[in-house]
Amino acid sequence: KAGVTQTPRYLIKTRGQQVTLSCSPISGHRSVSWYQQTPGQGLQFLFEYFSETQRNKGNFPGRFSGRQFSNSRSEMNVSTLELGDSALYLCASSFLKSGGPQFFGPGTRLTVL
Amino acid sequence: KQEVTQIPAALSVPEGENLVLNCSFTDSAIYNLQWFRQDPGKGLTSLLLIQSSQREQTSGRLNASLDKSSGRSTLYIAASQPGDSATYLCAVSGARGSTLGRLYFGRGTQLTVWP
Repeated sequence: KAGVTQTPRYLIKTRGQQVTLSCSPISGHRSVSWYQQTPGQGLQFLFEYFSETQRNKGNFPGRFSGRQFSNSRSEMNVSTLELGDSALYLCASSFLKSGGPQFFGPGTRLTVL
Repeated sequence: KQEVTQIPAALSVPEGENLVLNCSFTDSAIYNLQWFRQDPGKGLTSLLLIQSSQREQTSGRLNASLDKSSGRSTLYIAASQPGDSATYLCAVSGARGSTLGRLYFGRGTQLTVWP
């Protein structure tokens, strides 16, 4: 069974631009979560979707948004990029709605210049 | 608010040693606790998951224990090898209200095993 895939793997943008990252969960998984990882803050929760509904959102500004499609694939969007948005963005999928193991993708490395 | 702490932040040991990594969390309302491994610049690989009702889980040379009431978990690595070098992350899964569906991570223990 294929793992969680994320595209693109690397991205370079300039301040003020916007970016869309994509995540395809493991087949059959309906829960998708997004995390931001930086050296200064570690891993921080962005949001979580289950069956196309956002169930939970972390403490990030409204520039960060996401959605989930009917096939469970998810996208996250960051508008008006800032230098501090440079990070590794990780997506995780889970079969269960709550309490199940989460499996992570390889991440998208975003660099904002 | 759930806070997860990992001790030590870094560990450097010779090959063959048995290791203990520590994780503590402040809110005992968790669904489970997961230990992950992360190699530099890569994603997270799940090592072990312990449900809140369980006390320990084992996989090969790895053994993880959970004491939910005291908010502690340990990851025991037996007979360490250079290939074990990585950052080890502990994460707890929220079990109520606004914590549902999210993992709370510690900052990790950076392990180096030298030959």
